[in-house]
Amino acid sequence: NAGVTQTPKFRVLKTGQSMTLLCAQDMNHEYMYWYRQDPGMGLRLIHYSVGEGTTAKGEVPDGYNVSRLKKQNFLLGLESAAPSQTSVYFCASSWGDNTEAFFGQGTRLTVV
Amino acid sequence: EDQVTQSPEALRLQEGESSSLNCSYTVSGLRGLFWYRQDPGKGPEFLFTLYSAGEEKEKERLKATLTKKESFLHITAPKPEDSATYLCAVRAGNSGGSNYKLTFGKGTLLTVNP
Repeated sequence: NAGVTQTPKFRVLKTGQSMTLLCAQDMNHEYMYWYRQDPGMGLRLIHYSVGEGTTAKGEVPDGYNVSRLKKQNFLLGLESAAPSQTSVYFCASSWGDNTEAFFGQGTRLTVV
Repeated sequence: EDQVTQSPEALRLQEGESSSLNCSYTVSGLRGLFWYRQDPGKGPEFLFTLYSAGEEKEKERLKATLTKKESFLHITAPKPEDSATYLCAVRAGNSGGSNYKLTFGKGTLLTVNP
């Protein structure tokens, strides 16, 4: 099992550009999450999904959009990247709403 | 607002020197407390889940305990390969509620010297 796979692993964007981060999980998990990790801030929830076709806002959703068209995939979009979105992004998935979450390897995004 | 505070921020141990990491939390109804390990450049790796005060879990040299206000991660006779950042996270809310967020602490960076 690959678990949770994120692509790409690294990306540099110019301010105003757009991009999509892809997360795929092969564990048939219902719940999927996007977090960002910044120095001194800890992991913060951006958006999450409780099942195929559903999405909801987390703690820091501004500037991001998400889609969950297929159960195994959760996409995070940046429509107009800003330097404040420079961060490491982690996707995670879980079987239930109070079970452990399994994380991907992360995407390091730099916006210049 | 849910809060999770981990201490110390950084800890240096000699190989074999046992110690404990602390995670104190303030939440409106704890549903679960999770410990993760994170290596540099990697995603968090799940270690333990604790659901109620008094619960304990063990795995190799690690033991996690939970009280109503805090959790400890005890490391017995650590080895250099235990060096990592250890993250604590809580999920709060009433059972059946729609709170899916994990609130993370900032982590404890553990370095074990040979």
